[in-house]
Amino acid sequence: QKEVEQNSGPLSVPEGAIASLNCTYSDRGSQSFFWYRQYSGKSPELIMSIYSNGDKEDGRFTAQLNKASQYVSLLIRDSQPSDSATYLCAFSGAGSYQLTFGKGTKLSVIP
Amino acid sequence: NAGVMQNPRHLVRRRGQEARLRCSPMKGHSHVYWYRQLPEEGLKFMVYLQKENIIDESGMPKERFSAEFPKEGPSILRIQQVVRGDSAAYFCASSPGVRADTQYFGPGTRLTVL
Repeated sequence: QKEVEQNSGPLSVPEGAIASLNCTYSDRGSQSFFWYRQYSGKSPELIMSIYSNGDKEDGRFTAQLNKASQYVSLLIRDSQPSDSATYLCAFSGAGSYQLTFGKGTKLSVIP
Repeated sequence: NAGVMQNPRHLVRRRGQEARLRCSPMKGHSHVYWYRQLPEEGLKFMVYLQKENIIDESGMPKERFSAEFPKEGPSILRIQQVVRGDSAAYFCASSPGVRADTQYFGPGTRLTVL
């Protein structure tokens, strides 16, 4: 059974700091990896997608993928109170359309 | 540029009633996915549809749940004879193609079963 593990948190960081969110997955056949942000009572919003080993940067966000370790992370630089949300890690397998989600890590950025 | 639309946003049903959830994909998107999010749980895949076809319903409960995506009109997720355990947020996502990397989520329908 495909699984995604995330620390549920809450993870608290001061405003301006770097927030580091981690995720491990069980399926070695996983091909595509995603980070979604979900505010309370709202729908998931795609932040980043990453497909190959290494880093991918987009503004204040950096996704890191290590397929050998089955590990993906999200770094948020210069964290803002508006970044306070639950961050969901998800993956899909080769040729698959299903997204398998973790339960999410709740991030709180303290002003 | 309208995103994925879902209605109703909130739905209250009594046990035994039917619930109908609607989803209109983004313009240009022909692939629809339904996910369910139970309280304190992650999102779980339910079903994947293209126009007039159910491609994968492996995540759907075997009974009471059905989905369709007709040639005209929105995709519909139907839950018959609802029970309290069906209370959850139901999200629809759409993509222009089969790759999962372009799945965009709608605002969700929050179903409450009394």
